[in-house]
Amino acid sequence: DGGITQSPKYLFRKEGQNVTLSCEQNLNHDAMYWYRQDPGQGLRLIYYSQIVNDFQKGDIAEGYSVSREKKESFPLTVTSAQKNPTAFYLCASSPQASANPTSYEQYFGPGTRLTVT
Amino acid sequence: ILNVEQSPQSLHVQEGDSTNFTCSFPSSNFYALHWYRWETAKSPEALFVMTLNGDEKKKGRISATLNTKEGYSYLYIKGSQPEDSATYLCALDQTGANNLFFGTGTRLTVIP
Repeated sequence: DGGITQSPKYLFRKEGQNVTLSCEQNLNHDAMYWYRQDPGQGLRLIYYSQIVNDFQKGDIAEGYSVSREKKESFPLTVTSAQKNPTAFYLCASSPQASANPTSYEQYFGPGTRLTVT
Repeated sequence: ILNVEQSPQSLHVQEGDSTNFTCSFPSSNFYALHWYRWETAKSPEALFVMTLNGDEKKKGRISATLNTKEGYSYLYIKGSQPEDSATYLCALDQTGANNLFFGTGTRLTVIP
């Protein structure tokens, strides 16, 4: 089965602790993305990576870090510097945008709901 | 931060009714417009990626149109069914880097 997996589904942490969210894909996609959803807002891009060992900040990267050591994996670390970490986090992947723009829709994982108290 | 707006925020329709909703976006620096369907407890799924002004795409009972000059896209659902109940998201790509700016979505409920 090809797809994107995120684990865990629910995550609870104490304030001040760093936490890493997992995202794995076996779709052989070059590009991967992390989004955050908050009530009443659209999905907002945190970080994205177009290729292994390279990534760029999205709109709300402060307080987050990522790595892209393998094509299939793009973990997101929520650091203690993130002021409002409680949210629903979605990971996505897509083929390279340069191939055929009408075919590079993003494929999403099931999400991780992080609660920090 | 771009202003991608969707309207209405939510709507309820009877089974069998046709419906449509709107996504509006800045018309400058356009590359592509994406539509996704997000059912409760599932992952968002792509419906369409549209790049050309005047483009119209169709998938079953769902179709979409695109006007890049005036900055809007319409999504139409013909003969709504309960399984169409979901949140429909549009997202703008301005550069081709697939760096998407999402609207807040239209939540559709189809009443049997």
